[in-house]
Amino acid sequence: QKEVEQDPGPLSVPEGAIVSLNCTYSNSAFQYFMWYRQYSRKGPELLMYTYSSGNKEDGRFTAQVDKSSKYISLFIRDSQPSDSATYLCAPTGGGSYIPTFGRGTSLIVHP
Amino acid sequence: EAGVTQFPSHSVIEKGQTVTLRCDPISGHDNLYWYRRVMGKEIKFLLHFVKESKQDESGMPNNRFLAERTGGTYSTLKVQPAELEDSGVYFCASRRGMNTEAFFGQGTRLTVV
Repeated sequence: QKEVEQDPGPLSVPEGAIVSLNCTYSNSAFQYFMWYRQYSRKGPELLMYTYSSGNKEDGRFTAQVDKSSKYISLFIRDSQPSDSATYLCAPTGGGSYIPTFGRGTSLIVHP
Repeated sequence: EAGVTQFPSHSVIEKGQTVTLRCDPISGHDNLYWYRRVMGKEIKFLLHFVKESKQDESGMPNNRFLAERTGGTYSTLKVQPAELEDSGVYFCASRRGMNTEAFFGQGTRLTVV
């Protein structure tokens, strides 16, 4: 079983839609949960992170963590074509601050 | 402030040849990481430097890979001899402290033919 599972997509939505991106993980020691965004031919960039269970909101983005079910979500409201990218979940913790990446979900927002 | 810079952006080499990838981290960032993404797979951790010391090299696939960070500034990752399965995108990341944001370079796309 992989440590972090993520559906690679692609996920195609119309502009303005609410997008839900999800990950599951197996390591119960993970405490920090990060979301990275990666545009084509670029390196990943940190979008937001949460600590332990709960929600965190930043503009149009909301990250949600449920440690009891080992489930991580990222919601994007009012999606824009500029949101088209690959979104990678990367939990970490348990004595190591080295992120463990999922495969990433490719999101396409069409006008 | 300059970001993490990687050279070259793309390299095509034949099986059996040697390739050296370079990463220039953000100035002042003691922590430097190498990652690799093989096509269709997740980004995998290779190793972690703290200044010039290897903190964790548990992700290095085999002894054909050699990473160095002399002087604690830029780092190189040498693959010798390269094999077909080494093809992928190699990312470098740096951060100031262990629980601060890691910044990634744009990656080096390595193709072994």
